Amino acid sequence: DIQMTQSPSSLSASVGDRVTITCRSSQNISNYLNWYQQKPGKAPKILIYAASSLQSGVSSRFSASGSGTDFSLTISCLQHEDFATFYCQQGYGAPYSFGQGTKLEIK
Amino acid sequence: QVQLQESGPGLVKPSGTLSLTCAVSGGSISTNNWWSWVRQAPGKGLEWIGEIYHDGSSRYNPSLKSRVTISVDKSKNHFSLILTSVTAADTAFYYCARESTYRSGWYEFRWFDPWGQGTLVTVSS
Repeated sequence: DIQMTQSPSSLSASVGDRVTITCRSSQNISNYLNWYQQKPGKAPKILIYAASSLQSGVSSRFSASGSGTDFSLTISCLQHEDFATFYCQQGYGAPYSFGQGTKLEIK
Repeated sequence: QVQLQESGPGLVKPSGTLSLTCAVSGGSISTNNWWSWVRQAPGKGLEWIGEIYHDGSSRYNPSLKSRVTISVDKSKNHFSLILTSVTAADTAFYYCARESTYRSGWYEFRWFDPWGQGTLVTVSS
């Protein structure tokens, strides 16, 4: 099974900051990597699919890159509504797996 | 716009069977998509349980495979999850989701979207 590891596990930042979250897979997954945002009490929401493709309707403040085993999600100019928990997920093959999550909090 | 809605008992006794249904509205379940169940223990991360296609083909997470069955009912436009021999460790929010796809040449990318709102299932006597 493919293991996904995110870092950091938590992050404090201020409105207007730029932050980057990283995700590493235990084996080469090409660009079969998705990013989700989850707010308390809500289902996850897709932000990025295929490692770098922005889902329709998602703010262009979100961008992502990577291929192989190393990936990153960047949020530029943080807004209040961006504070949440973020998960990466590999879609390379079943069983699909998620990172442990990165909780982004307001400083 | 496709919407998903989970339903089922919110409380299951230890050693009992968890049974949930995901109703699909706004579109047919018989599209070229797989349909998944994902769970999340309170305060924890996300765990993929398994997936099904409208022809009944299914795949499961090996960590749960011996206890999980996912089925589809095209006439009712829904799919279901059964998890047997539950313990407190199975207490979680259970989400159903469609696997959206993007094809580029030989490659097919999948991600979970949309999701149901989720339903909390507590395993307790």
